[in-house]
Amino acid sequence: DAGVIQSPRHEVTEMGQEVTLRCKPISGHNSLFWYRQTMMRGLELLIYFNNNVPIDDSGMPEDRFSAKMPNASFSTLKIQPSEPRDSAVYFCASSGTGYPLQPQHFGDGTRLSIL
Amino acid sequence: DAKTTQPPSMDCAEGRAANLPCNHSTISGNEYVYWYRQIHSQGPQYIIHGLKNNETNEMASLIITEDRKSSTLILPHATLRDTAVYYCIVRPLTSGTYKYIFGTGTRLKVLA
Repeated sequence: DAGVIQSPRHEVTEMGQEVTLRCKPISGHNSLFWYRQTMMRGLELLIYFNNNVPIDDSGMPEDRFSAKMPNASFSTLKIQPSEPRDSAVYFCASSGTGYPLQPQHFGDGTRLSIL
Repeated sequence: DAKTTQPPSMDCAEGRAANLPCNHSTISGNEYVYWYRQIHSQGPQYIIHGLKNNETNEMASLIITEDRKSSTLILPHATLRDTAVYYCIVRPLTSGTYKYIFGTGTRLKVLA
C-alpha cells in the first residue's frame, strides 16, 4: 500500500523565496496533518485538516505560512517569504476515522534549508 | 507539554529483548497510549497502541500496568534496524482530540 507521499524530499533555497511543500495522503484517509521538526523544538503540529477543511491552524508560526487542501488527495504548505529560521524537516501525516481513533501515518518529510 | 516521561537513551544487544519504559502518571481513563519510532531521516512510524490490556502485533508488545500509570514497549528480538528514537504518547479517545504531543523520546541503540 502506498503511504503518505511528500515532495520534494529536499529543498534548498535563498531567503525571501517562496517555498511550496506537497503532500498526498493515504487514499481513504480524511484527516491530514502538517508537522515541523527542529532540534530545538522537536515535532510540532502546524495545522490539521478534516475532510479538506482546516480545523486547527494554531500551530502555524505566522502569516508567512499558509496551507491548503483543495481535495482529498492533495495538500500544500507554502512559506512566503521564506527565512533561515524556517529551516526544518516538514512532515505530513494522515489518518482515517473510526473507533478507536486511527493512528496517524507519516510521510518521510521534506528537509528544507533556507540560506 | 508532553504528558509522558521516558529515559533519554538506552542500549540493547542485538537479538535480545529491548524494553522501553514510559511513565504517564497523569493519564486519564479515556486516554490511549501510543508508541511511535523515528529512524534517522524518516518520518515517525506507528508501532502499537493500547488502553489498558496488553497488546501485541507483528512489531512489538505493549505492557500497561494495572493502574495505567506506566507502560513498557517490548521489541522481542532487537535488530540493528530497530535503532531509532521511540516516542510514547497519550491521546484521549474522543472525536476531535487529534493532537499528538511528542516528547523527547528514548534514543535506542542496538549494538552488534
